[in-house]
Amino acid sequence: KQEVTQIPAALSVPEGENLVLNCSFTDSAIYNLQWFRQDPGKGLTSLLLIQSSQREQTSGRLNASLDKSSGRSTLYIAASQPGDSATYLCAAMDSSYKLIFGSGTRLLVRP
Amino acid sequence: GAVVSQHPSWVICKSGTSVKIECRSLDFQATTMFWYRQFPKQSLMLMATSNEGSKATYEQGVEKDKFLINHASLTLSTLTVTSAHPEDSSFYICSAHYIGYTEAFFGQGTRLTVV
Repeated sequence: KQEVTQIPAALSVPEGENLVLNCSFTDSAIYNLQWFRQDPGKGLTSLLLIQSSQREQTSGRLNASLDKSSGRSTLYIAASQPGDSATYLCAAMDSSYKLIFGSGTRLLVRP
Repeated sequence: GAVVSQHPSWVICKSGTSVKIECRSLDFQATTMFWYRQFPKQSLMLMATSNEGSKATYEQGVEKDKFLINHASLTLSTLTVTSAHPEDSSFYICSAHYIGYTEAFFGQGTRLTVV
């Protein structure tokens, strides 16, 4: 059974810092891994999707990597801004399109 | 990207009543839809898989008689919370998929409060 873990559970950084969010999964037989952002009381915003054959994806200040063999993915946020404050969720997709979510990292970027 | 519309975005209902939540794929045919639930300060947990024209498959611990799922067309799946109780208060969100495309497209979510 796939289990997805995110570390740290919470993170507080000053504005401008670069930061890394970690995601690990137990079953390497994944179709893809997705990173989402969730603002309080809101739905999900898709940030990056990495197919199982890919190693990384980039969008603006965000870069996500995937290492299937070690069961790890990281989300790198460059030059963090207060507007980046949110909960970041990673999710691994299995062969039946089911997404297994991690518990999330709550990020606070202080002005 | 593909658009998935979920309605209503929030609902308050009395204990014992039923609530229906709709999930529509607006610009593609969704052969499979998933329903997730998120309790406060927790992550999303898969409730069930809904395939067009067939019975939904429920995850362990999810009561199929309480959470009725219907996927009657390729663009619409509904989740009905029957005889809702305060412990059913949660954030419910759907995702839709079409054949050959592995990205998940999510609805906006529905916040259900049972009083």
